[in-house]
Amino acid sequence: GDSVTQMEGPVTLSEEAFLTINCTYTATGYPSLFWYVQYPGEGLQLLLKATKADDKGSNKGFEATYRKETTSFHLEKGSVQVSDSAVYFCALSEGKLIFGAGTRLAVHP
Amino acid sequence: GAVVSQHPSWVICKSGTSVKIECRSLDFQATTMFWYRQFPKQSLMLMATSNEGSKATYEQGVEKDKFLINHASLTLSTLTVTSAHPEDSSFYICSARAQGVYEQYFGPGTRLTVT
Repeated sequence: GDSVTQMEGPVTLSEEAFLTINCTYTATGYPSLFWYVQYPGEGLQLLLKATKADDKGSNKGFEATYRKETTSFHLEKGSVQVSDSAVYFCALSEGKLIFGAGTRLAVHP
Repeated sequence: GAVVSQHPSWVICKSGTSVKIECRSLDFQATTMFWYRQFPKQSLMLMATSNEGSKATYEQGVEKDKFLINHASLTLSTLTVTSAHPEDSSFYICSARAQGVYEQYFGPGTRLTVT
């Protein structure tokens, strides 16, 4: 069945560092891909999405490109802030959402 | 906009009792609501999908008689864990979606501990 694998956390970075959170997927068809973010005490929020190969989703300085050849959707940000500290979930959908395990990011001043 | 709340945020109950968790869409009408379960350091797993006024559709392996879902209005869905046991302890998260809209909006989750 479909599945999502993302790098284990926690990821600890200093402010202004470069961020990469790896995400790979397995799917029978051509899913849409998503990154969700969960800030402490809040619900998951959609961060960005891509619906077809080579699409790039972007939001709030975060980017991810749908790579069909490597079945990947890695999340990147050039310069993280303390306020980016949260748990990040990669997900795919071919009808219902299938999530990765989540990666906790901690950014220190 | 698009806020979803859950109540309670955490609950402790004794083994054998039942507990109800509410999920509300505060500023939109949710024709579809979803219930997920999350174990520590694991993915969110979809338990069931409910459409307003219809019976919920449960995922394979989810006991429908144990996890009762009601979606009686466009702003409220409830999940009742019946005859709870310690293995039911988990983090339960709901999401809601308006008609014609693809995006799901998630609640903050409810942590259930069964002693």
